[in-house]
Amino acid sequence: SQTIHQWPATLVQPVGSPLSLECTVEGTSNPNLYWYRQAAGRGLQLLFYSIGIDQISSEVPQNLSASRPQDRQFILSSKKLLLSDSGFYLCAWSAFLTGSNYGYTFGSGTRLTVV
Amino acid sequence: GQQLNQSPQSMFIQEGEDVSMNCTSSSIFNTWLWYKQDPGEGPVLLIALYKAGELTSNGRLTAQFGITRKDSFLNISASIPSDVGIYFCAGQLNTPLVFGKGTRLSVIA
Repeated sequence: SQTIHQWPATLVQPVGSPLSLECTVEGTSNPNLYWYRQAAGRGLQLLFYSIGIDQISSEVPQNLSASRPQDRQFILSSKKLLLSDSGFYLCAWSAFLTGSNYGYTFGSGTRLTVV
Repeated sequence: GQQLNQSPQSMFIQEGEDVSMNCTSSSIFNTWLWYKQDPGEGPVLLIALYKAGELTSNGRLTAQFGITRKDSFLNISASIPSDVGIYFCAGQLNTPLVFGKGTRLSVIA
């Protein structure tokens, strides 16, 4: 069966420090991968998605970047964190980007607090 | 871009009551999904709808894909304490999933 792993679970970082969040998927090949951010009390905002290695689409211009160095690995990064980068970051995967599918399967999330 | 309006934003109900929440979109979708998020966890898929007018149940949960393809509702019957959480609708046409802002459900025993 497919599983998705996301780490770390929580992170406290000072303003201006770099960020690296990692997500890996097991049990499937060529998954579509996504990074969402959830601000406190808000909905899920799509940040990046990837349909293949080194293929990244950015939905919202911001202080973050994403990379996919391997088929089942998706990394969210920042060179210098801002206070506004605080939030709950969720990685997800799906077999299909659009059309009929079984939705996206989410990881357990990373709670990032920038201080 | 596409936007989903989900209502209500929050609900406080007594255990045993039925719950209804809905989502509307400014554009049509060909897929509607409903997720539940427990505190500190990622959302988990509850129900998926793929056809206008489709009515689907999953235990005490029932969801419908609106005939106009611009709306969907989720009903929970006979609520129990473990129904507490945030419920998200999500829609899709030819882009990645778009999520509503969620309905926070609190159940009073």
